[in-house]
Amino acid sequence: AQKVTQAQTEISVVEKEDVTLDCVYETRDTTYYLFWYKQPPSGELVFLIRRNSFDEQNEISGRYSWNFQKSTSSFNFTITASQVVDSAVYFCALRRDDKIIFGKGTRLHILP
Amino acid sequence: EPEVTQTPSHQVTQMGQEVILRCVPISNHLYFYWYRQILGQKVEFLVSFYNNEISEKSEIFDDQFSVERPDGSNFTLKIRSTKLEDSAMYFCASRVTGGWTDTQYFGPGTRLTVL
Repeated sequence: AQKVTQAQTEISVVEKEDVTLDCVYETRDTTYYLFWYKQPPSGELVFLIRRNSFDEQNEISGRYSWNFQKSTSSFNFTITASQVVDSAVYFCALRRDDKIIFGKGTRLHILP
Repeated sequence: EPEVTQTPSHQVTQMGQEVILRCVPISNHLYFYWYRQILGQKVEFLVSFYNNEISEKSEIFDDQFSVERPDGSNFTLKIRSTKLEDSAMYFCASRVTGGWTDTQYFGPGTRLTVL
């Protein structure tokens, strides 16, 4: 089965703390793509990152970093020095054929 | 930067009425999608569309739903007779080609409320 699990339903941290959002996926495909999307309170889906299965190099973009581990089927997302503007729902997703399968999302609250 | 646009941003309708949700994909994109997100839940795939026909549809996409690309720019989702459970955010997405390297870019969504 193709599945994305985000076990953390809701997380609250105080501003400037680091926070890691967990994502575990299941797939039978040998080649696949993983994604993270941000959904702010306004409702749109903002693409953050795409990762392919044959590139396990971790990625950093400003305060955001992603840790992809094929051995544990995980693709975790860390926000360093969190800010109130980071408050949103974050979705991890897996591309299967021509559609994207989303996890249930993690609602992140950054408290001032 | 080119964006996927959707209109209206919010649509309120009575149960049993037909609604058409409109999307303008990014201009050079060839693959189009609709997804749905019931309030507080995850985003779910509805349908993919390429070369003027449906490529794949989910079990949610029953006979009440249809999609169309009526001209060179718009991509529409029609719900023939809305039900209360159709209330959701509907996202349109598009991507350039069929390659594995492509990313689907999402529009801002249309919130549909069925009363």
